[in-house]
Amino acid sequence: AQTVTQSQPEMSVQEAETVTLSCTYDTSESDYYLFWYKQPPSRQMILVIRQEAYKQQNATENRFSVNFQKAAKSFSLKISDSQLGDAAMYFCAADYGGSQGNLIFGKGTKLSVKP
Amino acid sequence: DAGITQSPRHKVTETGTPVTLRCHQTENHRYMYWYRQDPGHGLRLIHYSYGVKDTDKGEVSDGYSVSRSKTEDFLLTLESATSSQTSVYFCAISPGRFYNEQFFGPGTRLTVL
Repeated sequence: AQTVTQSQPEMSVQEAETVTLSCTYDTSESDYYLFWYKQPPSRQMILVIRQEAYKQQNATENRFSVNFQKAAKSFSLKISDSQLGDAAMYFCAADYGGSQGNLIFGKGTKLSVKP
Repeated sequence: DAGITQSPRHKVTETGTPVTLRCHQTENHRYMYWYRQDPGHGLRLIHYSYGVKDTDKGEVSDGYSVSRSKTEDFLLTLESATSSQTSVYFCAISPGRFYNEQFFGPGTRLTVL
């Protein structure tokens, strides 16, 4: 089965520090895409960053970067210089190219940011 | 904002009553999805549409039906609501099937008593 697993239900970070959220996935596909979504208390789903499996270079968006380890099927999100506004649920998701075109989501990691 | 609205935003209903949730987009995107979000499950696909009158089932489609008579509207119907359908429902749109960002609506919180 094609899956996405987030093993950390909750994480906490001090403001201005760095935190890494873990995600592993499982697929036999060679071409796929991985995403991190942020869901603040407003409930809105916001795309944070995306990674194409065929690219070796890790994606970066401002303070957000990923560590993509294709052989290990690992896709972690690093948040640098954490801010209070980063507090949210973070979901890892995968597009394995199925006929439905839907995303497969992990169960999420709740990130708290301490002032 | 991607131009997606959902209505209603909140609804409380009784077991056994029919419920229809509406997703409206202004982007003219071909693909539309309905997900449900439950604690401990992330988001799971209920139904999706790849064009007007073209729909198909997702992972958790039992008890739900959908319709898409216009590009901009995708309706999700609970024929006879049950307490297990208490959830937050998200609509998403995408211009293509593969590697296209999915834009999500604001969600509808449905409570079935």
